[in-house]
Amino acid sequence: DIQMTQSPSSLSTSVGDRVTITCRASQSIATYLSWYQQKPGKAPKLLIYDASTLQSGLPSRFSGGGSGTDFTLTIRSLQPEDFATYYCLQSFSAPYSFGQGTKVEIK
Amino acid sequence: QVQLQESGPGVVKPSETLSLTCSVSGGSVSSGTYYWSWIRQPPGKGLEWIGYIYYTGRTTYSSSLKSRVIISVDMSKNQFSLKLTSVTDADTALYFCARVGRGTDVWGQGTAVTVSS
Repeated sequence: DIQMTQSPSSLSTSVGDRVTITCRASQSIATYLSWYQQKPGKAPKLLIYDASTLQSGLPSRFSGGGSGTDFTLTIRSLQPEDFATYYCLQSFSAPYSFGQGTKVEIK
Repeated sequence: QVQLQESGPGVVKPSETLSLTCSVSGGSVSSGTYYWSWIRQPPGKGLEWIGYIYYTGRTTYSSSLKSRVIISVDMSKNQFSLKLTSVTDADTALYFCARVGRGTDVWGQGTAVTVSS
């Protein structure tokens, strides 16, 4: 099974800051990587798929990159509504697997 | 647009079987474009992928759960279902059904299941 290691597990930051979250796969997953935002008590929301494709209707301050084993989610100029927990998910091979999550908190 | 809605009991006794159904509206489970998935989240913890089913009935499950999980599809009702046998406290979680295409793009709101006698 493929293991996904996400870092950091949490970070404190301010509105307007740039945030980068990383996800590392235990083996190459090409670009079969997606990113999700989750707020407390709510279902996750797809942000990025295929490692770098922004889901339709979402703001361009979210971007994804990487291929193989190393991936990043970047939020340029963090907005108040972006404080949430973020997860990566590999869909290269079943069973699929999530990263452990990164909680983005207000400093 | 496609919407998913989970349903099932909120409390299950230890050692019994958890059964949940996901009803799909605005789309069809028989679409060959998508897989239909179950994901769970224990209280205060991260997301755990349980498994998925394709409309043909082909399934794939989490390695840690595959001895206890069955996911099935009912195209006549436009639903897919989850059965998890021999539940313990560790199976207490918020359970989500979801559509998997280019990313997991549509999610149900989630249903909380507590394992308790």
